[in-house]
Amino acid sequence: GQNIDQPTEMTATEGAIVQINCTYQTSGFNGLFWYQQHAGEAPTFLSYNVLDGLEEKGRFSSFLSRSKGYSYLLLKELQMKDSASYLCAYTGGGNKLTFGTGTQLKVEL
Amino acid sequence: ETGVTQTPRHLVMGMTNKKSLKCEQHLGHNAMYWYKQSAKKPLELMFVYSLEERVENNSVPSRFSPECPNSSHLFLHLHTLQPEDSALYLCASSQDFRQPYNEQFFGPGTRLTVL
Repeated sequence: GQNIDQPTEMTATEGAIVQINCTYQTSGFNGLFWYQQHAGEAPTFLSYNVLDGLEEKGRFSSFLSRSKGYSYLLLKELQMKDSASYLCAYTGGGNKLTFGTGTQLKVEL
Repeated sequence: ETGVTQTPRHLVMGMTNKKSLKCEQHLGHNAMYWYKQSAKKPLELMFVYSLEERVENNSVPSRFSPECPNSSHLFLHLHTLQPEDSALYLCASSQDFRQPYNEQFFGPGTRLTVL
């Protein structure tokens, strides 16, 4: 069965902050990726966490707790263009990615 | 051309047709991937090629046949598909399959409809 879980949909207001959670269970874990995918477009890389803690990159930050099997993506100062699907994925052996179903984020005025 | 390109962008085929999807990467990467993306489902890894050698085949039916003639090109040959094979097929590449931290770069995908 699916061993990586994230909410299906979220809605937030322009200018606000939103946190998208991702939990996973796997015996072999190297790191956790976040990708953004706009409708009809290719997924694009946002972040990669291998160590516990918070990685900040502009308006986007990503957090990882290896012991809890938990990650989140934090988006600040939301803009309409942030409406997209956010995919979390872990790597086990090599560069093989196991994806969650994605969280569809809708940013409203 | 830059990044990862895929052709065609849209494909409609009957169950008895034979067609091929093409992917090309202009990034000098050594690994290439085929993924299937269906509505409400996670991206599913289908095949991985590293230095033109297939290193991963995720229990994909034989009606899907990959080919990697060189490190820049990847094909997915389709034969006697089923309607449930209708999906977005994404190609990706990364620098080195052995390195888990390498970012994968995705192409825009081929939207396949099987009638």
